Amino acid sequence: AQSVTQLGSHVSVSEGALVLLRCNYSSSVPPYLFWYVQYPNQGLQLLLKYTTGATLVKGINGFEAEFKKSETSFHLTKPSAHMSDAAEYFCAVSAALTGGGNKLTFGTGTQLKVEL
Amino acid sequence: GAVVSQHPSRVICKSGTSVKIECRSLDFQATTMFWYRQFPKQSLMLMATSNEGSKATYEQGVEKDKFLINHASLTLSTLTVTSAHPEDSSFYICSAAGSGGSGANVLTFGAGSRLTVL
Repeated sequence: AQSVTQLGSHVSVSEGALVLLRCNYSSSVPPYLFWYVQYPNQGLQLLLKYTTGATLVKGINGFEAEFKKSETSFHLTKPSAHMSDAAEYFCAVSAALTGGGNKLTFGTGTQLKVEL
Repeated sequence: GAVVSQHPSRVICKSGTSVKIECRSLDFQATTMFWYRQFPKQSLMLMATSNEGSKATYEQGVEKDKFLINHASLTLSTLTVTSAHPEDSSFYICSAAGSGGSGANVLTFGAGSRLTVL
C-alpha cells in the first residue's frame, strides 16, 4: 500500500521568495514520485518525476525536488516564486516494481498563493 | 508531447438523466486509461482503471453500474454517469498511459469535465 502526505494545505509566499512544498510518502516497494500542478478548472500538468538515478530532479518552470529515502520525502522547491506559480500542487506516488507507474496515489494537495 | 482531450469540459443535466464523458488520446495509443473524481478543494480519487478491450477495474466503493466505463479503442475511453443525481456533481478527470516505454510511464491528463446535476 502507498500513501502521500502533503504538509500544509495552503502555503503563501511573496513574489521572489523561496517556494517549499512538503511531501512525505509511504511505500512498501521502491516508489516512483511525481509532482503535478493544477490550475483552476483544468487537468493536471506534470512538473517533474523521480524514478531512479539522480535524487535531485529538475522539472519545468524552475521547480525541482529531491528524493530522500531516509526521510521518505520528496519536497518541491523553487528559488524564486512568480505570480504565475499560484496554483494547486499535488504530490503523487506509484509502485515501481510492478511496472505500475501509472496507478497514482495522490496527496491532498497544497494551494500555493503568491503575493506581491 | 502527448495530448489527452476530454469532452465536454462542462455539462449540466437534470437529475435522473445519463451523461457521457469522452477521453481521447490524440497522438498516442493509450493502452490504459484512468478515471478520477475530484471534489472541490480536494485531491483526486481514482475511480477505475480501464484497459483497451477489457472490463474496467473499479476501486473499492465505486459503483460500477453507476459509472459505466468503456474503453473500446486505443484512443478512446468513455465514462457514463447513469441516472445522475446532485451528489454526482463533481470534476471528473481522465488520464492516459501509452503503450511500451519504461515501467515509469507518465500519465497525461485531460483538462477535466465539470458535471453539475440539478
